[in-house]
Amino acid sequence: AQSVTQPDIHITVSEGASLELRCNYSYGATPYLFWYVQSPGQGLQLLLKYFSGDTLVQGIKGFEAEFKRSQSSFNLRKPSVHWSDAAEYFCAVGAPSRDYKLSFGAGTTVTVRA
Amino acid sequence: GAGVSQTPSNKVTEKGKYVELRCDPISGHTALYWYRQSLGQGPEFLIYFQGTGAADDSGLPNDRFFAVRPEGSVSTLKIQRTERGDSAVYLCASSRQGRGANVLTFGAGSRLTVL
Repeated sequence: AQSVTQPDIHITVSEGASLELRCNYSYGATPYLFWYVQSPGQGLQLLLKYFSGDTLVQGIKGFEAEFKRSQSSFNLRKPSVHWSDAAEYFCAVGAPSRDYKLSFGAGTTVTVRA
Repeated sequence: GAGVSQTPSNKVTEKGKYVELRCDPISGHTALYWYRQSLGQGPEFLIYFQGTGAADDSGLPNDRFFAVRPEGSVSTLKIQRTERGDSAVYLCASSRQGRGANVLTFGAGSRLTVL
């Protein structure tokens, strides 16, 4: 069974600074990988996904993530954070044969200070 | 509809009562999913429908939980004899197909509080 670890429960970043959120997964082969963002009272919104191919994935809102097989990681980055990026971020992994059954990490809450 | 719609957005009930949570998926999406998100945790898979049938219900915690999708569109998650531990946000998602490079679109969730 697959699993995800998000080591950082809470990150505070200044507006305009760069952001990196860590995600480590456990799965025996190459998984499908996702990053979702959740704002208060909102549903989970997909930021980006990795299925195969280029290991650097571009998403919405200026986010990108890099799949590193050797490190079992899929870290999310943004070069310059905006106040509206304050939210909770979830990394998720799915087995290609059963990708409806995503395993989510516990999430990282991002606070943006002015 | 434009997005996944879930009702009610909030439900407060007493221990032992029965509750129903409704999900209206995106029009044309054949696959529908229920997840549960407890406080401070990521969502956990409950059940997956392809059309009218439950293709995988392995995430349902016990037999007090049941879900239906009789016409292949709207789904209802039913919880009998609710317990305080059932308190969580119940998320519904849908996608165009059930297998192969799926992208799930989630609703805003139904927050259930069992007193």
